[in-house]
Amino acid sequence: QLQLQESGPGLVKPSETLSLSCTVSGGSISGSSYYWAWIRQPPGKGLEWIGSIYYTGKAFYRPSLKSRVTISVDTSKNQFSLNLNSVTAADTAVYYCAREIGGTTEYWGQGTLVTVSS
Amino acid sequence: QSALTQPRSVSGPPGQSVTISCAGTSSDVGAYNYVSWYQQHPGKAPKLMIFDVSKRPSGVPDRFSGSKSGNTASLSISGLQADDESDYYCCSHAGTYVLFGEGTKLTVL
Repeated sequence: QLQLQESGPGLVKPSETLSLSCTVSGGSISGSSYYWAWIRQPPGKGLEWIGSIYYTGKAFYRPSLKSRVTISVDTSKNQFSLNLNSVTAADTAVYYCAREIGGTTEYWGQGTLVTVSS
Repeated sequence: QSALTQPRSVSGPPGQSVTISCAGTSSDVGAYNYVSWYQQHPGKAPKLMIFDVSKRPSGVPDRFSGSKSGNTASLSISGLQADDESDYYCCSHAGTYVLFGEGTKLTVL
């Protein structure tokens, strides 16, 4: 059974960089047609797709976040990561990592709350 | 890239049927047969209920069905049960990115 687990700081200061990692177990991040995605959900609000990456490093980003986001992959560790810079309170959310194909997200991590506050 | 438009809330008594709409554009819902639906209970990760417009993953009851007409997709739930009470989100491929709907709260009366 594929499992994804997010990890990283739960508190980030405004203007700094939010960095999260997602460790994939029960399957390889390499090969197949799957993309590895980051999705977030501000408290009490809806889901927002941030971006996704193929194991080769080819990445796609939400246009409105593209200037601040970098998603990377480390196949040797079976991990992928999210960097979001210049954060503000509006970036406070539960961040999910997930496996995606054709826009369908079949497997989700449990999510991790990141709060942006000084 | 605005969110797909869903009704804020829908409701129905146990045993009845409800339909949740998801309105997009010719660049997302209307362009691809890659519409999916997710159920999310409070404090939990979303669960995939429908993919590729109308396909059900293993384990999802056939009370859940999906369809699409033009730029609007729909999720229908028949034989409502108490456990169906949840938030539901649609999602569509949009070329180089993915769009979620605003979310709909389903209340089982």
